[in-house]
Amino acid sequence: NAGVTQTPKFQVLKTGQSMTLQCAQDMNHEYMSWYRQDPGMGLRLIHYSVGAGITDQGEVPNGYNVSRSTTEDFPLRLLSAAPSQTSVYFCASSYPWGGGTYEQYFGPGTRLTVT
Amino acid sequence: AQKVTQAQTEISVVEKEDVTLDCVYETRDTTYYLFWYKQPPSGELVFLIRRNSFDEQNEISGRYSWNFQKSTSSFNFTITASQVVDSAVYFCALSPNAGNNRKLIWGLGTSLAVNP
Repeated sequence: NAGVTQTPKFQVLKTGQSMTLQCAQDMNHEYMSWYRQDPGMGLRLIHYSVGAGITDQGEVPNGYNVSRSTTEDFPLRLLSAAPSQTSVYFCASSYPWGGGTYEQYFGPGTRLTVT
Repeated sequence: AQKVTQAQTEISVVEKEDVTLDCVYETRDTTYYLFWYKQPPSGELVFLIRRNSFDEQNEISGRYSWNFQKSTSSFNFTITASQVVDSAVYFCALSPNAGNNRKLIWGLGTSLAVNP
């Protein structure tokens, strides 16, 4: 199993550009999520999905879109990049949460800089 | 309010010392889960332990141990005989289990430096 993979590892964007951060998992996990990590602010949930076709907003969804057409993939789209979106982005997945709560498996992260 | 507090922002110890990382949480839920994750300098996030609110037994895994006390809403993590490889940021997280809430509430992390 490759686990959770993310591409790219590093990205530099100019203000106003759009891009998609890719996330894929091969563990057949229903739950997937995107976090951003900023110094002094810990991990903040952007969007999450409890299965194909179902997504919901997290704590800081503005400026980001997601879709979940397959169980494996959960891309994060930046619509019009802003310097405030400079951050490290993590994708995570886990088993279904109903009836119990399972640990999340994290991807290696994408370091995004917006100039 | 649901919250996780890791009051220690940074800790520095010398190798072989024991060190305890504190985690205090707030929740009104009777059923919830607590987690610890490790983030080494390489940046990935690694799961360490999950504990549910009905299980107050302490857990030991090698040099790592966890002390869960509902009476004080704490879930502390102790590393015995620390090693340089333990240097990392450690996060405590809370998962309330009310309804369809599937979100983790994270502490801000404790940065541990173990010096040779």
